[in-house]
Amino acid sequence: QKEVEQNSGPLSVPEGAIASLNCTYSDRVSQSFFWYRQYSGKSPELIMSIYSNGDKEDGRFTAQLNKASQYVSLLIRDSQPSDSATYLCASLSGSGNTGKLIFGQGTTLQVKP
Amino acid sequence: NAGVMQNPRHLVRRRGQEARLRCSPMKGHSHVYWYRQLPEEGLKFMVYLQKENIIDESGMPKERFSAEFPKEGPSILRIQQVVRGDSAAYFCASSPSIAGETQYFGPGTRLLVL
Repeated sequence: QKEVEQNSGPLSVPEGAIASLNCTYSDRVSQSFFWYRQYSGKSPELIMSIYSNGDKEDGRFTAQLNKASQYVSLLIRDSQPSDSATYLCASLSGSGNTGKLIFGQGTTLQVKP
Repeated sequence: NAGVMQNPRHLVRRRGQEARLRCSPMKGHSHVYWYRQLPEEGLKFMVYLQKENIIDESGMPKERFSAEFPKEGPSILRIQQVVRGDSAAYFCASSPSIAGETQYFGPGTRLLVL
């Protein structure tokens, strides 16, 4: 099993819908998780971080962490065409004090007007 | 408050030449990380540095690649004798004072080897 896994997509949703992006992880990563958004040809931009079980909300974005099932998800409410991008799930390797971020392959989201 | 700065943004080299990529972390950040993104692939960790120290270079290729973060000046990722397979986007990230804190990415350097 890869350390961090994502479905590459593309995930296509209509404008205004909820987009749900999922990520699973192995025991080889820490309990610190990060969601980045990357537009084509651009650098990753941090959306949210989550460290504790449960939900964390920030505007239209909600990150969810379930340690028992080893998955983390990102929900985007009221999706807009400008949300169309690749979403990267990442975690710190090992115990988390190495600074080494392990990224999933990324999920491409397409929001159709 | 300027973000992470990288230069050049685009770099073209011929096979066998050297490539030098520079990264200035965000103000107040003392941890620098380099990642590589090959075409159609995910981001891969290369190296983690603090001032004058390499903390983790487990993602660096064994040959031709080196990195430094001197006491003064930017961090440098150096690729000697470049080959076509080195063509990629190289991103630098920085974090404040603790390795586990959030990393903020620079705009990247796109290296093309002819």
